[in-house]
Amino acid sequence: KNEVEQSPQNLTAQEGEFITINCSYSVGISALHWLQQHPGGGIVSLFMLSSGKKKHGRLIATINIQEKHSSLHITASHPRDSAVYICAVVPGNQFYFGTGTSLTVIP
Amino acid sequence: DAGITQSPRHKVTETGTPVTLRCHQTENHRYMYWYRQDPGHGLRLIHYSYGVKDTDKGEVSDGYSVSRSKTEDFLLTLESATSSQTSVYFCAISERPVLNTEAFFGQGTRLTVV
Repeated sequence: KNEVEQSPQNLTAQEGEFITINCSYSVGISALHWLQQHPGGGIVSLFMLSSGKKKHGRLIATINIQEKHSSLHITASHPRDSAVYICAVVPGNQFYFGTGTSLTVIP
Repeated sequence: DAGITQSPRHKVTETGTPVTLRCHQTENHRYMYWYRQDPGHGLRLIHYSYGVKDTDKGEVSDGYSVSRSKTEDFLLTLESATSSQTSVYFCAISERPVLNTEAFFGQGTRLTVV
């Protein structure tokens, strides 16, 4: 049983489309992180959230603590956004990771 | 980019041999972590360190040991490698516990046990 569920598992979009990736979790958390894993394997941190909403460039992350749900939105998607997006929750002081959403943006 | 380097990046080894993976950081961060990434699973914590000589087990620690004798280096050892330990291993660092700070990840080490 995974405490963190992401949907969809795979997503293909046309360049310019608005994209939403969802993360649901079943435990109480202190924080939630969104990570991006590039095709070459490297992982970078995109956002850390404990409430509300954060925006960085074309990326927006929201969290609803009561509903145990977070979304990552990408506006005006571009082929360089193609990557695996990983949701990670922090119930105590360690990460629990989702299995990731693989995004492909077609030109 | 955070200064975090994993070595080797790729390794093929035989069942039963010992293997050591190294994580080196130049950020002076207190916390260091070893994860493994397998298809169908999220990243899973093997061991972590909260200071020099201070380490603790994660959820998949069986068959692995770690050492941290210096702030900058965190070593992961497979005493006797098994095929089930074929995986991609990631090191991560953080300045504080990840409940209130971001983590930085290495590029990963692809280990194949034959």
